[in-house]
Amino acid sequence: AQSVTQPDIHITVSEGASLELRCNYSYGATPYLFWYVQSPGQGLQLLLKYFSGDTLVQGIKGFEAEFKRSQSSFNLRKPSVHWSDAAEYFCAVGAKGNKLVFGAGTILRVKS
Amino acid sequence: EAQVTQNPRYLITVTGKKLTVTCSQNMNHEYMSWYRQDPGLGLRQIYYSMNVEVTDKGDVPEGYKVSRKEKRNFPLILESPSPNQTSLYFCASSPLGGPNSGANVLTFGAGSRLTVL
Repeated sequence: AQSVTQPDIHITVSEGASLELRCNYSYGATPYLFWYVQSPGQGLQLLLKYFSGDTLVQGIKGFEAEFKRSQSSFNLRKPSVHWSDAAEYFCAVGAKGNKLVFGAGTILRVKS
Repeated sequence: EAQVTQNPRYLITVTGKKLTVTCSQNMNHEYMSWYRQDPGLGLRQIYYSMNVEVTDKGDVPEGYKVSRKEKRNFPLILESPSPNQTSLYFCASSPLGGPNSGANVLTFGAGSRLTVL
């Protein structure tokens, strides 16, 4: 069965520092991969997606992610974090049964 | 504005009292789905619908019902809510085929926080 692992439950970074959120997936074929962000009390907003082609994908708000098939990873990065980036981030894979399988989420805290 | 609208956004109810969470989308999407979000578990799919009158179970369908009589609406029904259904619920929609078909992307509603006492 498809699964997504986000190893870090919480991450704290200083404002202006770089950020990397880890995501590993389990899926037999070429996956459709997504990163969503959820701000407190809000719904989920799509940051970026990977379907095929270039393994480095650019998203909104200055985020990017790199698909590495050999490592089954799709890590999210941002070179300089802003206080407004504090939120919960979810990695997801498109799976059989017409659904997204989500990771447990990573809560990002930003120190000023 | 293209959106998925859920109501109510917040609800406190008691065990056994039937309730319905409505979901409506204005994007003419064929595919709609319900997820629940619980701490440490991420989001899990409850039910999904590929089109009008076509629904199927997701990973955690027990205790829930859905219907898809119109393309735009996909209500979630809890016939006899129990405390373990206390959760944050999200409705989502996408164009034909759902999130694992082509380049479809799910658009999520703002969520409905349900508490069952």
